[in-house]
Amino acid sequence: EIVLTQSPGTLSLSPGERATLSCRASQSVSSSYLAWYQQKPGQAPRLLIYGASSRATGIPDRFSGSGSGTDFTLTISRLEPEDFAVYYCQQYGSSPKTFGQGTKLEIK
Amino acid sequence: EVQLVESGGGLVKPGGSLRLSCAASGFTFSSYSMNWVRQAPGKGLEWVSSISSSSSYIYYADSVKGRFTISRDNAKNSLYLQMNSLRAEDTAVYYCARDGGYYNYWGQGTLVTVSS
Repeated sequence: EIVLTQSPGTLSLSPGERATLSCRASQSVSSSYLAWYQQKPGQAPRLLIYGASSRATGIPDRFSGSGSGTDFTLTISRLEPEDFAVYYCQQYGSSPKTFGQGTKLEIK
Repeated sequence: EVQLVESGGGLVKPGGSLRLSCAASGFTFSSYSMNWVRQAPGKGLEWVSSISSSSSYIYYADSVKGRFTISRDNAKNSLYLQMNSLRAEDTAVYYCARDGGYYNYWGQGTLVTVSS
């Protein structure tokens, strides 16, 4: 089983700032099958990024994903108030499809 | 529009059983693998079980193997999760999610509480 470790656990930033979230895998993620999700309180997760760097339908271009192998990054270029949420990475290249523990992005 | 609507959650005593349902619409249900993912209160996401489009392939997390059974009825566009021998640690919101490799559509979730 691939273990995904996200850092930091909590990130405190202000609107307009740049956010960089990390996801590290315990072994290489095949074919960059890495996704990112956003979850707000009381809501289901929403797909942001798949294939490590492809934005899902309707996702603003301030969200970008990068990385390969064992190290992946989600970047939010300029934070909007609605971006403060919890973010999860998921690898879907091997079974079971595991999630990271999440990064909480909070308003500073 | 793709819609996934879970139902069947509630309060159950330890050792009890519950059956969750997920009604799908807006897409060809029989063409997609489906999943159950859960989230304990204040915790992260945990994949629970997957079923292929024709039910030929079924997988479970170790934490539920032997206690939970996933199934589907393509004629009814529905996904199910039969949960037996429930434990306190099974308390969570249970989501159904459509499989595209990644999970591109999720239901709103149904809360299962296991408590005496």
